[in-house]
Amino acid sequence: AQKITQTQPGMFVQEKEAVTLDCTYDTSDPSYGLFWYKQPSSGEMIFLIYQGSYDQQNATEGRYSLNFQKARKSANLVISASQLGDSAMYFCAMREGRGRRALTFGSGTRLQVQP
Amino acid sequence: ETGVTQTPRHLVMGMTNKKSLKCEQHLGHNAMYWYKQSAKKPLELMFVYNFKEQTENNSVPSRFSPECPNSSHLFLHLHTLQPEDSALYLCASSPRTSGGVDTQYFGPGTRLTVL
Repeated sequence: AQKITQTQPGMFVQEKEAVTLDCTYDTSDPSYGLFWYKQPSSGEMIFLIYQGSYDQQNATEGRYSLNFQKARKSANLVISASQLGDSAMYFCAMREGRGRRALTFGSGTRLQVQP
Repeated sequence: ETGVTQTPRHLVMGMTNKKSLKCEQHLGHNAMYWYKQSAKKPLELMFVYNFKEQTENNSVPSRFSPECPNSSHLFLHLHTLQPEDSALYLCASSPRTSGGVDTQYFGPGTRLTVL
């Protein structure tokens, strides 16, 4: 079974609008962390936002927020006021357990922001 | 230079060649990682190093040989590769502080083509 599922291969959004990128995860470990990364065409993976499994509040970082629904095992990324520079691949990732370092990535969503 | 750097950015090699990928982090981190990103596949973890010691090997073929001489440098030695090894190879580093988020920061990647 896939650990991280991103069901939207591609998304379009108009500039200045908000967009939600979906991510569901599968783990039986009570301690885990969820990450979102952005990958522009240049290839570099850019860290956006983090949510810990014990965090009570949804994470926010500027225009990025994470809609964390623990019971549903979903961690959707919300980008507000989209900009042309937001066009990129977006990856959801999870690290399970304390002490483990490795991340498991989803297949990604390609976001295209239209003027 | 800042962040995580990788050289070369692009590499074309024959199946009988021997080459090395280099990664350097300027963040004072203690953990370093190699990931492989193939077309239409999620990012796959290859190796993890903590304080120069290899702690994870994700069943990587022996034609990939990592080396971590210190916490700032990580190499991936390549020999007798196959065309299916063509991919983007990403290096990452993280602080590895206990109790922290331990976010991984990525370099720009090396685009490898095996002929």
